[in-house]
Amino acid sequence: AQSVTQPDIHITVSEGASLELRCNYSYGATPYLFWYVQSPGQGLQLLLKYFSGDTLVQGIKGFEAEFKRSQSSFNLRKPSVHWSDAAEYFCAVVPYSGGGADGLTFGKGTHLIIQP
Amino acid sequence: DTEVTQTPKHLVMGMTNKKSLKCEQHMGHRAMYWYKQKAKKPPELMFVYSYEKLSINESVPSRFSPECPNSSLLNLHLHALQPEDSALYLCASSSEADTQYFGPGTRLTVL
Repeated sequence: AQSVTQPDIHITVSEGASLELRCNYSYGATPYLFWYVQSPGQGLQLLLKYFSGDTLVQGIKGFEAEFKRSQSSFNLRKPSVHWSDAAEYFCAVVPYSGGGADGLTFGKGTHLIIQP
Repeated sequence: DTEVTQTPKHLVMGMTNKKSLKCEQHMGHRAMYWYKQKAKKPPELMFVYSYEKLSINESVPSRFSPECPNSSLLNLHLHALQPEDSALYLCASSSEADTQYFGPGTRLTVL
């Protein structure tokens, strides 16, 4: 079965500084990979996804992520964070099952705190 | 448009009540999902409907009963819940093996 590890439970970053959130996955083949963001009491918003092709993917709100097969990683980055980026970030995977629907497996999440 | 709507936004119910959560999408997606999220935890999959048929049930207690009346609607019927069932219930939809789009959730409190 697939699994996702987000090693950092909390990260504190100063406003304007760069950000990297780590995500490692365990799966026999290449899964589909996602980053979602969740503000308190809200649903999940998709930031970006990786299915295949270019390993550097661009998302919304200035986020990007890089897929590294050799490291089984899919780290999220942003060059300059804004106070509005404070939220919970989830990395998630879903197996490529040949077309059938399957549930997402989430990491435990990283809580991002922005210092003024 | 990638909108999934959920009603109600908040729900408070007693342990003997019967209530329903509703989810709707008009993106033509053929897969719909229910997730449960406890505070400070990631979402956990409960059910998956594919082409209006239940395809995955993650050993959810029978007090939760899903229903998919048509390709745009997904319900979750609740009966005889326990206080530990209090959580944020999230609905999502996707085009089969593709990106899942989430609704805003229903915050459920069981007294």
